[in-house]
Amino acid sequence: QLQLQESGSGLVKPSQTLSLTCAVSGASITSGGYSWSWIRQTPGKGLEWIAYIYYSGTTYYNPSLKSRVTISIDTSQNQFSLKMNSVSAADTAVYYCARANNWNYPFDYWGQGTLVTVSS
Amino acid sequence: DIPMTQSPSSLSASVGDRITITCRASQSISTYLHWYQQKPGKAPKLLIYAASSLQSGVPSRFSGSGSGTDFTLTISSLQLEDFATYYCQQSYSLPPTFGQGTKVEIK
Repeated sequence: QLQLQESGSGLVKPSQTLSLTCAVSGASITSGGYSWSWIRQTPGKGLEWIAYIYYSGTTYYNPSLKSRVTISIDTSQNQFSLKMNSVSAADTAVYYCARANNWNYPFDYWGQGTLVTVSS
Repeated sequence: DIPMTQSPSSLSASVGDRITITCRASQSISTYLHWYQQKPGKAPKLLIYAASSLQSGVPSRFSGSGSGTDFTLTISSLQLEDFATYYCQQSYSLPPTFGQGTKVEIK
């Protein structure tokens, strides 16, 4: 059974960099043509897709966040990561990692989510 | 971006009721529309994909319909475990976008 598990900084100071990792277990991150995404959820803006990456390294970013976000993949560790710089209180959210069969498919597996708070 | 609009934002219903939630896209998205259920403190769970296909393991009381810009999620006989928030999502074009959610509460 595929499982995704987020980890990373739970408290980040304004203007600093948020770093999260999603560990994938139960299958190789290189198998199939899956896209691996980060999605966040806030009470105000709801669910917001951030970025995806394929094991080949192909990426796509939400234009609204593109200037501040980097997604990367580590196939040797079977995980992928998110970095977001210049964070503000508006970036406080629950961050999820998720898988889709391809970019135009639904998200069929999700991590449990991790709360990131931006505060001094 | 393709904005997705759900209605209602919330509804109150009783066990056994039939309920319908609507999702509207700002432009045609064919059937690239998916429905998720989310319970407090949990990740969204895929219920329906491609507008009307039931995800494996999801009870048959859930159904979806629609194409183009207008879609519906129907629960034929509401069960206690169905009280949750439901979201639609389009994957017709990047970036994927979600509706704002419909909270189903116990009457």
